[in-house]
Amino acid sequence: GQNIDQPTEMTATEGAIVQINCTYQTSGFNGLFWYQQHAGEAPTFLSYNVLDGLEEKGRFSSFLSRSKGYSYLLLKELQMKDSASYLCAVRDGDYKLSFGAGTTVTVRA
Amino acid sequence: IAGITQAPTSQILAAGRRMTLRCTQDMRHNAMYWYRQDLGLGLRLIHYSNTAGTTGKGEVPDGYSVSRANTDDFPLTLASAVPSQTSVYFCASSAAGPTDTQYFGPGTRLTVL
Repeated sequence: GQNIDQPTEMTATEGAIVQINCTYQTSGFNGLFWYQQHAGEAPTFLSYNVLDGLEEKGRFSSFLSRSKGYSYLLLKELQMKDSASYLCAVRDGDYKLSFGAGTTVTVRA
Repeated sequence: IAGITQAPTSQILAAGRRMTLRCTQDMRHNAMYWYRQDLGLGLRLIHYSNTAGTTGKGEVPDGYSVSRANTDDFPLTLASAVPSQTSVYFCASSAAGPTDTQYFGPGTRLTVL
């Protein structure tokens, strides 16, 4: 099976930066996704990496190292509305998406 | 544009009963998926359909069946519900197929007693 690990919880202060790490071991690799999920709501797409390097999208950036099986999601200038779960998902060689258990980020004033 | 809709929003069901969760998308996406989300386990794929008329098994298919008679609808059926099927169920779709980004419906919270 697939193995995707990310921290369970993180807490940060409004205006700060938080980095959520994700490590993976999968059968083949066809891209890594980050989703945001607010409590009681559906996951919403944040970012996609298939090549090594950094993808920046406003306050959110995502990094990928395929050789290390590692990604991170960087959230800058944190706002209260960023309090949510962040899901790391890897698309394997069969194009199936496997998800980590999610990291709950709490932003404090 | 509604995107993906799911029904019901929530349901309490007696064990042994049959239940169909509905999923409809109006984006003409080719591929559709059913996931369940349980605390501490993340989203797990139940069944998928890469195009109308075809279906496949995911990671946790036992106890569930699906059909894909047309592009828009992808119902999930629990033939005889058991308490371990208590979960939040999300339907998702992707445009051209499994190589595209998946977008999720609002979910159905199912409790089996």
